[in-house]
Amino acid sequence: GQNIDQPTEMTATEGAIVQINCTYQTSGFNGLFWYQQHAGEAPTFLSYNVLDGLEEKGRFSSFLSRSKGYSYLLLKELQMKDSASYLCAVIEYGGSQGNLIFGKGTKLSVKP
Amino acid sequence: DSGVTQTPKHLITATGQRVTLRCSPRSGDLSVYWYQQSLDQGLQFLIQYYNGEERAKGNILERFSAQQFPDLHSELNLSSLELGDSALYFCASSAATGPEKLFFGSGTQLSVL
Repeated sequence: GQNIDQPTEMTATEGAIVQINCTYQTSGFNGLFWYQQHAGEAPTFLSYNVLDGLEEKGRFSSFLSRSKGYSYLLLKELQMKDSASYLCAVIEYGGSQGNLIFGKGTKLSVKP
Repeated sequence: DSGVTQTPKHLITATGQRVTLRCSPRSGDLSVYWYQQSLDQGLQFLIQYYNGEERAKGNILERFSAQQFPDLHSELNLSSLELGDSALYFCASSAATGPEKLFFGSGTQLSVL
């Protein structure tokens, strides 16, 4: 089974830095994704971590600690367009099948 | 544009009815995934097909079924619809057998009245 926890909502100011945390408990963990989803739109891929450490991609970075079952998404130099839901998802393998299991998402509101 | 096409964008129907949602994956992608997203449940994995065969099953109700055709497009059939089936249904595709980076379609908003 799986359990993925992330805060429901966060608010931050334009130009600031925000960190969105995700904790997970899964069996057969094989990678963690972050997706961005604007209201009513499709989720879009942001990052993928399979090994411990920090992956940086422009203004967005993602960190993973497999021993702690913990990840975070760091957004720098926030822009108004970053207002969206951020979904943490883990690959869980059961037998030979792998499923991408999503958390409920963190709704980020960026204020001027 | 992710390259994944879903039709229709919106669907309004009544309880007890049956509907079919359609998905065309990105060119070259062999895997198709179906997800249901409701306000209180987030994105729930329903089912995955790879090259025409069912690969993985999630929390899919018996009233729901899916298939992937030889041209790799997929259909999700929802029958005996209930009010609680109202949700956004996403299709996603990937090139691999496993859930690597997924590309999502724009979704079908289903409203059951």
